[in-house]
Amino acid sequence: QSVLTQPPSASGTPGQRVTISCSGSNSNIGGNYVYWYQQLPGTAPKVLIYRNDQRPSGVPDRFSGSKSGTSASLAISGLRSEDEADYYCSSWDDSLSGWVFGGGTELTVL
Amino acid sequence: EVQLVESGGGLVQPGGSLTLSCVVSGFSFSSYWMSWIRQAPGKGLEWVANIRQNAGDKYYMDSVKGRFIISGDIAKNSLYLQMNSLRAEDTAVYYCARVDSGYNYGLYYYYGLDVWGRGSTVTVSS
Repeated sequence: QSVLTQPPSASGTPGQRVTISCSGSNSNIGGNYVYWYQQLPGTAPKVLIYRNDQRPSGVPDRFSGSKSGTSASLAISGLRSEDEADYYCSSWDDSLSGWVFGGGTELTVL
Repeated sequence: EVQLVESGGGLVQPGGSLTLSCVVSGFSFSSYWMSWIRQAPGKGLEWVANIRQNAGDKYYMDSVKGRFIISGDIAKNSLYLQMNSLRAEDTAVYYCARVDSGYNYGLYYYYGLDVWGRGSTVTVSS
């Protein structure tokens, strides 16, 4: 059971917009930044969104992040086949003094 | 280029020990908190431990406290994870990661994990 709650799966057709939610609590998302990671099969996680809504250089502006209260969301617009991957949200947890993650959302491009 | 490279993984029997290494380059290792994160086969990401290099502050997840030791060697730009009394449930890919953090008015603030290694596989099995 993950501390942060994400839907286990999401899907969309090419060109569509998909949103992945991430729910936490005051000890994590409510008081700290949210990071989003993309993990392609057999590879290490890659930072997609940092500090709630910032994109690293090289990440397309089709990807955007937002946070409100104890929840966050990742939006992917103009869906492409190469976006098929697992997506994880993460935040620092003040109670655990460590990182907490969502269980991951497997995105399928139909 | 900022880079993290893990090594030291392998097959070990239950109750055995293994030490993972992570060599970093492209940034000042002593200035950053570092973390170990693991991912069991087919499962999600799980935080294992954190360390602040120049002060030795260390934090562990509950299930590895007393069994795992995180450490660093600034001269070698290397992070380590010594794993003792290994269990089948410790089987995972282990990633080292750099911590994006801030410091203000005597307190550290932890933002996220901004650089990851490729991982090292640990299998605990008889």
